[in-house]
Amino acid sequence: NAGVTQTPKFQVLKTGQSMTLQCAQDMNHNSMYWYRQDPGMGLRLIYYSASEGTTDKGEVPNGYNVSRLNKREFSLRLESAAPSQTSVYFCASRIYPAGTYEQYFGPGTRLTVT
Amino acid sequence: AQKVTQAQTEISVVEKEDVTLDCVYETRDTTYYLFWYKQPPSGELVFLIRRNSFDEQNEISGRYSWNFQKSTSSFNFTITASQVVDSAVYFCALSEAVETSGSRLTFGEGTQLTVNP
Repeated sequence: NAGVTQTPKFQVLKTGQSMTLQCAQDMNHNSMYWYRQDPGMGLRLIYYSASEGTTDKGEVPNGYNVSRLNKREFSLRLESAAPSQTSVYFCASRIYPAGTYEQYFGPGTRLTVT
Repeated sequence: AQKVTQAQTEISVVEKEDVTLDCVYETRDTTYYLFWYKQPPSGELVFLIRRNSFDEQNEISGRYSWNFQKSTSSFNFTITASQVVDSAVYFCALSEAVETSGSRLTFGEGTQLTVNP
């Protein structure tokens, strides 16, 4: 099992450009999450999908959109990138319902917006 | 609202020293889960341990041990006889145990542990 995979690993964008970060998991998990990690701020939740067909805003959703394409895949889109979106983005998944609540993370995407 | 505080931003120790990473949390929930994750220099997040709010037994796994004290809302992590490979950022996290809400994780800001040879 590959676990949680993310593409791309690195990306540089110019202000105003758009892009989609891809995430897929092969653990048959129902819930999927997108976080951003900024220095000194831990990880903050952007959006999540408790189950296929549902998405909800997290703590810092502004400037992002998500799509739960199917049970395996959960993408994050930046429509018009801004320098404030320079960050490391992590996708995660967990079993839902039931399970024990820990989330498993992908390797991250390092995004720089100039 | 939930909150996790890791007051130690950086800790530096010499190999073989014991080190404790502090974690204090706030929640109104009676049922919740606490976690520790490790982020080595390579950047991935590695799940270390989960503890639910009804289980206050301490846990030991090799050189790692965790002390959960509900009375002080703390979930501290001790590494015994630290090694250079323990150098990483360690995150404490809290999750509500409500299945209908997606059970989001609230992270602390992380503690950078450096173990020097």
